[in-house]
Amino acid sequence: SQQGEEDPQALSIQEGENATMNCSYKTSINNLQWYRQNSGRGLVHLILIRSNEREKHSGRLRVTLDTSKKSSSLLITASRAADTASYFCATDERNAGNMLTFGGGTRLMVKP
Amino acid sequence: SQTIHQWPATLVQPVGSPLSLECTVEGTSNPNLYWYRQAAGRGLQLLFYSVGIGQISSEVPQNLSASRPQDRQFILSSKKLLLSDSGFYLCASDPRGNNQPQHFGDGTRLSIL
Repeated sequence: SQQGEEDPQALSIQEGENATMNCSYKTSINNLQWYRQNSGRGLVHLILIRSNEREKHSGRLRVTLDTSKKSSSLLITASRAADTASYFCATDERNAGNMLTFGGGTRLMVKP
Repeated sequence: SQTIHQWPATLVQPVGSPLSLECTVEGTSNPNLYWYRQAAGRGLQLLFYSVGIGQISSEVPQNLSASRPQDRQFILSSKKLLLSDSGFYLCASDPRGNNQPQHFGDGTRLSIL
């Protein structure tokens, strides 16, 4: 079964606006990762946040992690048309090695 | 950094035919390797993973199998394809150790007719 569940499933915004995507999970984790997938392509790793971290930044990306609520959010600031893609969270569960469990993804469309 | 090569990019096969998808990895040694399947508009389902040559673990019972004949080669096979095997197949790799991201190939889109 899916560990991470993204919300919303689809999001449409105008260029320049911020996009926020949420992810919930069920078990204890070592880390949570966010990936991006352009249509018909493989996934590209964006950011990894460890279970003892609360916030992480990378360029226009900001990720938060709340282990008490078992949730994470990905914020893309000042979005661009090129940010149009699907975004997935994935959890690395404790005692599961490096295996990841992926959510169903959020499809983001940024209109120029 | 790692580069994952997958081929072919697209494949159309009749029901009951065999399958062989290949994945090779560059830029790392002794990686963990993974095969995922992705249905249209959905997340990834882990099919197989391997921590070393000849070591394969299956996550989902099905008519697919995987093999790892060399350190950086991972093969997904089937003797007889089913309609339900259609999907987007992704190979991924990560180096050993904790808190490592996975690197993905560009996938194979498999259509069963």
